[in-house]
Amino acid sequence: SQQGEEDPQALSIQEGENATMNCSYKTSINNLQWYRQNSGRGLVHLILIRSNEREKHSGRLRVTLDTSKKSSSLLITASRAADTASYFCATPHGSGNTGKLIFGQGTTLQVKP
Amino acid sequence: GAGVSQTPSNKVTEKGKYVELRCDPISGHTALYWYRQSLGQGPEFLIYFQGTGAADDSGLPNDRFFAVRPEGSVSTLKIQRTERGDSAVYLCASSLGANSPLHFGNGTRLTVT
Repeated sequence: SQQGEEDPQALSIQEGENATMNCSYKTSINNLQWYRQNSGRGLVHLILIRSNEREKHSGRLRVTLDTSKKSSSLLITASRAADTASYFCATPHGSGNTGKLIFGQGTTLQVKP
Repeated sequence: GAGVSQTPSNKVTEKGKYVELRCDPISGHTALYWYRQSLGQGPEFLIYFQGTGAADDSGLPNDRFFAVRPEGSVSTLKIQRTERGDSAVYLCASSLGANSPLHFGNGTRLTVT
């Protein structure tokens, strides 16, 4: 079963605009991760935010975490055509071994040049 | 250095046949994971190795699925008596340890006809 639910399922924007993707989860976590997947490729780790963090930045990425609402968001600022991909949130399952992850269904982002 | 390598990239097999999927992790990564991804879904955990031993195989769907990592490096996922429902992309990932981000390969697309 999948813990994370992502919203929206698909997003289409123009280059230069910001893209926001949301993720909700069900159980208590000690961290949440975001991954990107280009078509036909494996997933690439983007960022990990711990449960005691509320916000984290990495380049044009900003991730927030609200443990009271069991939700996270990923913001990509000044989007580029190369950002076109699927984005997944993932949470550890059970003991907190961060490699055994439960992934959401993902948000498919299309950035039009 | 080289990333996670998976072979073959594509495999087409007939229902009932046996298949082996290979994963060559990043050198020095002690943790290795297998995930399965169906079309339009996020990856689902299958099995986790720490070194040579399967630390967690709770995601394997049934006893037709088996994985080994005899020398603590390369891993092989084995599927017996394949069924059409086994068709998916099988992703391998490795990490430095249980609490490090995952590095994914590009996957093996398995099609059972």
